[in-house]
Amino acid sequence: DAMVIQNPRYQVTQFGKPVTLSCSQTLNHNVMYWYQQKSSQAPKLLFHYYDKDFNNEADTPDNFQSRRPNTSFCFLDIRSPGLGDAAMYLCATSFTTGLYGYTFGSGTRLTVV
Amino acid sequence: GQQLNQSPQSMFIQEGEDVSMNCTSSSIFNTWLWYKQDPGEGPVLLIALYKAGELTSNGRLTAQFGITRKDSFLNISASIPSDVGIYFCAGSNSGYALNFGKGTSLLVTP
Repeated sequence: DAMVIQNPRYQVTQFGKPVTLSCSQTLNHNVMYWYQQKSSQAPKLLFHYYDKDFNNEADTPDNFQSRRPNTSFCFLDIRSPGLGDAAMYLCATSFTTGLYGYTFGSGTRLTVV
Repeated sequence: GQQLNQSPQSMFIQEGEDVSMNCTSSSIFNTWLWYKQDPGEGPVLLIALYKAGELTSNGRLTAQFGITRKDSFLNISASIPSDVGIYFCAGSNSGYALNFGKGTSLLVTP
């Protein structure tokens, strides 16, 4: 089945220690997104790629970076995680714009200790 | 992004009851979407609406795109325990970003 896969499902990292979350897709969608979702809150867009074009949201902290080496994979790098970065990180894809909705992965729950 | 106001924040109902939730915005949208998120999982698209006034069903779920294009409603009929989860509305205006509501948490008791 075509899908969006996130690894790992759960990640524990130390305060200040760089961490990378990964996302892969078999849908051949052009656009890949990273959302941050804190408890009882709406998902918040961090950035997205249209193909290799990177688009950062204005309020995304510099601490968050992303890489998309090819169509299928996208990575979220948190350079120096703080306690406030503990959240669920959701990867999503869409063929073109968000008009027809996204396909989300199952998410990675990040804990910072 | 534009903030969507979703209500109620939570609902606690008995199996078999019908459920209604809604989402409003100060701005118009071209698309309204409803997602369900199970605990520890990513959101799954339930219904997408593309035209003002449109009423669309997916099994026991029915959603409507408000005439003003500033609101949308989701109804669940004859709820069952597996309906438990968080329901998010989202609006889109041709761009890439989806504007999400804060979610309605639904609990269903047998």
